[in-house]
Amino acid sequence: QQQVKQSPQSLIVQKGGISIINCAYENTAFDYFPWYQQFPGKGPALLIAIRPDVSEKKEGRFTISFNKSAKQFSLHIMDSQPGDSATYFCAARGGGGNKLTFGTGTQLKVEL
Amino acid sequence: DSGVTQTPKHLITATGQRVTLRCSPRSGDLSVYWYQQSLDQGLQFLIQYYNGEERAKGNILERFSAQQFPDLHSELNLSSLELGDSALYFCASSPLTGLADTQYFGPGTRLTVL
Repeated sequence: QQQVKQSPQSLIVQKGGISIINCAYENTAFDYFPWYQQFPGKGPALLIAIRPDVSEKKEGRFTISFNKSAKQFSLHIMDSQPGDSATYFCAARGGGGNKLTFGTGTQLKVEL
Repeated sequence: DSGVTQTPKHLITATGQRVTLRCSPRSGDLSVYWYQQSLDQGLQFLIQYYNGEERAKGNILERFSAQQFPDLHSELNLSSLELGDSALYFCASSPLTGLADTQYFGPGTRLTVL
């Protein structure tokens, strides 16, 4: 019930391409869905977040698409750049307090 | 820089020992969260404090305990350490337990148990 499933585990994209990472959840009590970006040796940093009453949110090259009925959400990175190479985590908030349940992470590599 | 500070950055200790990890939240943030990141378990929520009170508990072992002090800094105590406790421990903070409440993560403490 608390799990958030994330795919793919790793992704290689050419510079300028679109990176797509998908997540699915079961718990309908989740009320907030952030994406975090993590570089090696650093803590996760918030990239973009969405609430379940919105189907899409865009910030610069980053877009979250949210499908409430399917309980799925995805991150699209347009015009992917080598500097985007990092590990991306989806997360969902709920289930007591303000805790985040994280997906297993996607290691993105953007090649020149 | 998120504004959340954690010390120490690295910690190497032996099995059976006890360690204390420290976290200072962003200025004005009342909530502090502890997460463990390991290769096999991913990022797992351990515990949350809000203004000195425990607010939520996750998969935190009985050997682990935490507290938040009046100045809002927090400490995570890990005792009777085992090899499997080796991981990155992150602290995060947020302003309050609200609807659009962003958690800001610190740089982490890397714990190695030998």
